[in-house]
Amino acid sequence: SQKIEQNSEALNIQEGKTATLTCNYTNYSPAYLQWYRQDPGRGPVFLLLIRENEKEKRKERLKVTFDTTLKQSLFHITASQPADSATYLCALEDTDKLIFGTGTRLQVFP
Amino acid sequence: GAVVSQHPSWVICKSGTSVKIECRSLDFQATTMFWYRQFPKQSLMLMATSNEGSKATYEQGVEKDKFLINHASLTLSTLTVTSAHPEDSSFYICTTVRTSTDTQYFGPGTRLTVL
Repeated sequence: SQKIEQNSEALNIQEGKTATLTCNYTNYSPAYLQWYRQDPGRGPVFLLLIRENEKEKRKERLKVTFDTTLKQSLFHITASQPADSATYLCALEDTDKLIFGTGTRLQVFP
Repeated sequence: GAVVSQHPSWVICKSGTSVKIECRSLDFQATTMFWYRQFPKQSLMLMATSNEGSKATYEQGVEKDKFLINHASLTLSTLTVTSAHPEDSSFYICTTVRTSTDTQYFGPGTRLTVL
């Protein structure tokens, strides 16, 4: 069956450290994968898109990797701040539709 | 500013009534919009793809007669939850894609509570 898995448990890290979130998928062959941030009661906000032929992409303090052999994407936030606390969702393309993982809650404490 | 808007942001209704949710693309024309539903602590689940000028495409398990979608213009799609029941209570979110940049924009969501 098809699955997209993210760490279901919350990730708690100290301010200034690097947060690393994982997204693993099974039985998909996405042309691209995206990461979103979602705050409580709000819609997701697009962060980064990485295509199947790209291994890494960066945007300011964010870095995403995409390993199509391992079927995994890693999302890094460097120099994390309390304002980065939110739920982060990975989503992958499947026949022109976007399928979401369950998300990982990140809590950055001072 | 916002690229996609939704109205209302929240609604409370009695069981058996119908509720209409609007999704507007403010910044560009959208021939396709997507409707998602999110239950508490769960992921976004795609309900249907709304196509301007034609019938919507529904995902498996989503009743098309219960969730009526109308995409009458390039900037507006509506989702009507007919004969709502408490189990329809959820967070409904629409989204569209700016094809020139492959960027997906989500609306702020509509919280539906059915009593």
